Amino acid sequence: QQQVKQSPQSLIVQKGGISIINCAYENTAFDYFPWYQQFPGKGPALLIAIRPDVSEKKEGRFTISFNKSAKQFSLHIMDSQPGDSATYFCAASSGDSWGKLQFGAGTQVVVTP
Amino acid sequence: DGGITQSPKYLFRKEGQNVTLSCEQNLNHDAMYWYRQDPGQGLRLIYYSQIVNDFQKGDIAEGYSVSREKKESFPLTVTSAQKNPTAFYLCASSGRGGDQETQYFGPGTRLLVL
Repeated sequence: QQQVKQSPQSLIVQKGGISIINCAYENTAFDYFPWYQQFPGKGPALLIAIRPDVSEKKEGRFTISFNKSAKQFSLHIMDSQPGDSATYFCAASSGDSWGKLQFGAGTQVVVTP
Repeated sequence: DGGITQSPKYLFRKEGQNVTLSCEQNLNHDAMYWYRQDPGQGLRLIYYSQIVNDFQKGDIAEGYSVSREKKESFPLTVTSAQKNPTAFYLCASSGRGGDQETQYFGPGTRLLVL
């Protein structure tokens, strides 16, 4: 069973709009939550990551919001650009799993001009 | 340039054949991982290795085998026992300490069955 549930499966947003992707988890031992960006035919690359001691982390146009009590976290892409069109994966791991990441199913984002 | 290389980019397997996918890293990372990616299913962990000469099964190890004889190399063999091998295979590595959880991925190998 998938330990990290990601939604939506795909989304289309206009240039300049906001893309929002949500993830939920059950394992309360998870303490590291990264987001990866993947372009077609390429390997994923780390975009931004958060730990549960903060509720929000921002890097440029990308923001992670984290709700520990709800066991949910989300990625917001502000001022979306056509170059942001990619598949985004959320993931989670726990300190006792030595780097083993559990990935969500992915969200394909298309930014229209 | 530091990074992870995977070869070949495309690989074709015949019925009953074993094939080996190469993964090399020059990041001096201790841990290495193999993932399988299928459309709509995200990345699933096949095998991982924390140190040389040691490796553990991931969530979908059946039909696959690995070795870790050198720190830089972690080849994956897709055996004939894997009945549905068509997928995109990704290798990753990570370091220790504060950077432990950050996994760096290679460009992937696409395996197709003839």
